[in-house]
Amino acid sequence: DQQVKQNSPSLSVQEGRISILNCDYTNSMFDYFLWYKKYPAEGPTFLISISSIKDKNEDGRFTVFLNKSAKHLSLHIVPSQPGDSAVYFCAASGNSGGSNYKLTFGKGTLLTVNP
Amino acid sequence: GAGVSQSPSNKVTEKGKDVELRCDPISGHTALYWYRQSLGQGLEFLIYFQGNSAPDKSGLPSDRFSAERTGGSVSTLTIQRTQQEDSAVYLCASSPSGSYTFGSGTRLTVV
Repeated sequence: DQQVKQNSPSLSVQEGRISILNCDYTNSMFDYFLWYKKYPAEGPTFLISISSIKDKNEDGRFTVFLNKSAKHLSLHIVPSQPGDSAVYFCAASGNSGGSNYKLTFGKGTLLTVNP
Repeated sequence: GAGVSQSPSNKVTEKGKDVELRCDPISGHTALYWYRQSLGQGLEFLIYFQGNSAPDKSGLPSDRFSAERTGGSVSTLTIQRTQQEDSAVYLCASSPSGSYTFGSGTRLTVV
């Protein structure tokens, strides 16, 4: 039973255009969401997060949008660069400010940005 | 070191053998996590250590899997009597709170 779903295994975009990566979740107890980026043979690296009290968080070229009623979040990358090519994982936590930050991850989306 | 260090980076073992995977977290990080990523799957939670509290072992897939964290620092994940379905990348992460820092993982192949 997948609680965090990334339904697109891959996405290809042109350099300079917008990349939109989507994520859906089923557990209404999740209240903290993160995106991680992973290059081959490396561990995932934290990219951006959002708390359920917000609907948008922006950091440079990266923006995460959260739609709680739809249990959906998305990561926008504008403009996309070839170096953004990687696997992007969506993750969620029912942290609620507690100390347990166990995360539930999606299967990832492979983003390819073509020059 | 500056990051989370895992060893070995690659391990090939015969079915039925025991393996130990090591994780050196970032100094001062009280939380330590083990995840694994099987082919085509997301990261699957295995176990979580937080300070001196009892670990959360709810993600360990069978009693062949165990983990220790000595002195609140280094952790060892042990898999006994390995099976082919144990083949995966085993990732360790540490955290002071909030977002994790992951190591590069150990790629385990059971033949």
